[in-house]
Amino acid sequence: TQLLEQSPQFLSIQEGENLTVYCNSSSVFSSLQWYRQEPGEGPVLLVTVVTGGEVKKLKRLTFQFGDARKDSSLHITAAQPGDTGLYLCAGEKIGNEKLTFGTGTRLTIIP
Amino acid sequence: DAGITQSPRHKVTETGTPVTLRCHQTENHRYMYWYRQDPGHGLRLIHYSYGVKDTDKGEVSDGYSVSRSKTEDFLLTLESATSSQTSVYFCAISVDRARADTQYFGPGTRLTVL
Repeated sequence: TQLLEQSPQFLSIQEGENLTVYCNSSSVFSSLQWYRQEPGEGPVLLVTVVTGGEVKKLKRLTFQFGDARKDSSLHITAAQPGDTGLYLCAGEKIGNEKLTFGTGTRLTIIP
Repeated sequence: DAGITQSPRHKVTETGTPVTLRCHQTENHRYMYWYRQDPGHGLRLIHYSYGVKDTDKGEVSDGYSVSRSKTEDFLLTLESATSSQTSVYFCAISVDRARADTQYFGPGTRLTVL
């Protein structure tokens, strides 16, 4: 059983559209991170959220941590081809400092 | 970019042979990690190290061993490779395991076991 489920698994949209991807769990996390991974490379950290209900913005990307700290979402406004990649969420469970990664959302932005 | 290199970047081997993957960092970070990445599973932690000669198991450690004799090097060994160990292996480093610390990843090693 995967601790962190991401949806959708695959998403292909046109440039300029908006999108939201989700990261859900039945467990509570002390913090949650989002990474982006491009083909042939390792994941790169985008953001860390640590407080329930927290919203962080990174240019056109908006990250939200659920109030109960069990879920998170990533919203991209006016998607661009450079946003293409595999988006991974990773959570740190309370009392367990190891990161648990989600299954990933593979995003393709069509020019 | 964090100074992390992995070697080899690609390897094809046969079932039953030993394989060692190397991770080298120039950041002097205390913590080092080995993950494997497989479709549908995301990244799964194999082993990690919190200092020279200090290592611990992750969630998928069976069939793998690690060693860290210097701060900068973390080795992952498959004693007798099996086809189920075909995967992409990533090394990561972090300054600390304090809450929400950033992990920096290497470029990965693609291992194929025939």
